[in-house]
Amino acid sequence: QQQVKQSPQSLIVQKGGIPIINCAYENTAFDYFPWYQQFPGKGPALLIAIRPDVSEKKEGRFTISFNKSAKQFSLHIMDSQPGDSATYFCAASMDGGFKTIFGAGTRLFVKA
Amino acid sequence: DAGVTQSPTHLIKTRGQQVTLRCSPISGHKSVSWYQQVLGQGPQFIFQYYEKEERGRGNFPDRFSARQFPNYSSELNVNALLLGDSALYLCASSPRFSGERTDTQYFGPGTRLTVL
Repeated sequence: QQQVKQSPQSLIVQKGGIPIINCAYENTAFDYFPWYQQFPGKGPALLIAIRPDVSEKKEGRFTISFNKSAKQFSLHIMDSQPGDSATYFCAASMDGGFKTIFGAGTRLFVKA
Repeated sequence: DAGVTQSPTHLIKTRGQQVTLRCSPISGHKSVSWYQQVLGQGPQFIFQYYEKEERGRGNFPDRFSARQFPNYSSELNVNALLLGDSALYLCASSPRFSGERTDTQYFGPGTRLTVL
């Protein structure tokens, strides 16, 4: 019940494409859903986050779609660029960021 | 402002040894969390500290311990190292811990621990 399931494991898109990464959770006590981007040798960096009372949030080229009834959320990257090639993690937390649970990650490669 | 800093960057130990990893949070941040990231996997929650008290613990054995100091920096200790402890250890800080709302975590670059 504490798991966050993320798919796909890897993704290859052409420059300008719109990669979509999906996540699903079970525990309805989660109330904060961040997405992180991680480059090799670096720590994860927050991209965008959403709370369950909002169905969509956009920040720049990144959009989160949130379906509370299905307990699913997804990340869309508009006009993807080679510099977006990285590993993306979805996560879920509750009670002030307590015990953030991460998905397994999606390795994205954007072809030039 | 400086981000979250961790030391050392890399560390090589042998089985059975003990290791101490250090973390300095972003100035003004009072909460520190520790995560273990095995290659190819997502970070796994180990501990969260706020105001020098443990506020959360993940599913890790008692060989793992941590503490937070009055200046909000933190140490993670791992005793009796096993080969499976080889991983990237990440520290994250957040401005505050509150039961009323959630907070963004800011990650450091990590300490790469190799156990031989």
